[in-house]
Amino acid sequence: AQSVTQLDSHVSVSEGTPVLLRCNYSSSYSPSLFWYVQHPNKGLQLLLKYTSAATLVKGINGFEAEFKKSETSFHLTKPSAHMSDAAEYFCVVIPSGSARQLTFGSGTQLTVLP
Amino acid sequence: NAGVTQTPKFRVLKTGQSMTLLCAQDMNHEYMYWYRQDPGMGLRLIHYSVGEGTTAKGEVPDGYNVSRLKKQNFLLGLESAAPSQTSVYFCASTSDSGYTFGSGTRLTVV
Repeated sequence: AQSVTQLDSHVSVSEGTPVLLRCNYSSSYSPSLFWYVQHPNKGLQLLLKYTSAATLVKGINGFEAEFKKSETSFHLTKPSAHMSDAAEYFCVVIPSGSARQLTFGSGTQLTVLP
Repeated sequence: NAGVTQTPKFRVLKTGQSMTLLCAQDMNHEYMYWYRQDPGMGLRLIHYSVGEGTTAKGEVPDGYNVSRLKKQNFLLGLESAAPSQTSVYFCASTSDSGYTFGSGTRLTVV
């Protein structure tokens, strides 16, 4: 079964420094990949999605992710963290042959220090 | 506003009680899903539906039942609640244009 692994459960950065949230996927072909964000006590918001059109995907709020097939990775980055970026981030895949259901990684909690 | 509406938003149940969570969408989506979210585990799929009158099991279906009698509604039932079902429940629906999530139901079973 296809899945995603988020390599860090917690990441702390200082405001204004770069953000890197790591995600590896398992798949025998190019899957559909997403990053979602969840702020405290809030619902899920789509940051960006990869659907094979371009390997570098730009999302909302300055986030972007690069699909690297050779490394089976889809890491999320942002050049400069803002306090409002503090949230939980989920890497998500749609398994092949599925009824389009999303399979979530375990999440990465991002803390932004002043 | 178009979207996915979950009711109730909060609920406390005693062990053994039953309840139904309602998910309603007004976007004419075929696919609907119920997830539960627990700390450190992301969201896990409970049940899903690919259309009116159809349902299927997801990753963690035990202790839950679902029904999709109308295309716009997807109901999640707990027949005999257990403390292990304390969680936040999210409903979602999708079409070719993307996924829409509800705002969640926080359920506590004591």
